[in-house]
Amino acid sequence: AQSVAQPEDQVNVAEGNPLTVKCTYSVSGNPYLFWYVQYPNRGLQFLLKYITGDNLVKGSYGFEAEFNKSQTSFHLKKPSALVSDSALYFCAVRRTGANNLFFGTGTRLTVIP
Amino acid sequence: GAGVSQSPSNKVTEKGKDVELRCDPISGHTALYWYRQSLGQGLEFLIYFQGNSAPDKSGLPSDRFSAERTGGSVSTLTIQRTQQEDSAVYLCASSARGIERTEAFFGQGTRLTVV
Repeated sequence: AQSVAQPEDQVNVAEGNPLTVKCTYSVSGNPYLFWYVQYPNRGLQFLLKYITGDNLVKGSYGFEAEFNKSQTSFHLKKPSALVSDSALYFCAVRRTGANNLFFGTGTRLTVIP
Repeated sequence: GAGVSQSPSNKVTEKGKDVELRCDPISGHTALYWYRQSLGQGLEFLIYFQGNSAPDKSGLPSDRFSAERTGGSVSTLTIQRTQQEDSAVYLCASSARGIERTEAFFGQGTRLTVV
């Protein structure tokens, strides 16, 4: 079975401060990991993915994520948060050979001016 | 348009009625997904189409739900005898072949309200 956990429903951070949105996963075999963002009244937008290679992946809008196999984590990070980063963030995992993405329940990020 | 298109954007229906939701994937994308997003919940996988292969229907919650994909392009999700618990946002996504390594692109969703 595969699953994704986003332990925080809500994350608040001050503008300009670094932000972290946590994600841990459980999957058999090698995982393919993704982050998506959902702005109000809009569809999900792809941010970044880890497939293989360098554990630190960089994505859109200055976001990055680090794949940590020993901790089965794929936390999303940004060095300096913007108010416009406020949105709902979803982590997703797919295992090798599987057809679909399994999504976490989402973390609502609020950046306070 | 270049993105995934879903229609209608909003649908209000009476309990017991049937509804059809439409998805136009990105041209050339062979994989198509349907997900359901309920308030306060994550995305729930419903069904997956890949090319001409038999669809993966393992996520459909009951036999009232069905989906088809005609000509490898447009897909329709049908919910028969709708119930109030079917109220949710239904999201469609598509991706290119080599799907394990390829991100999915999502439509704006159809918000279904069953009254």
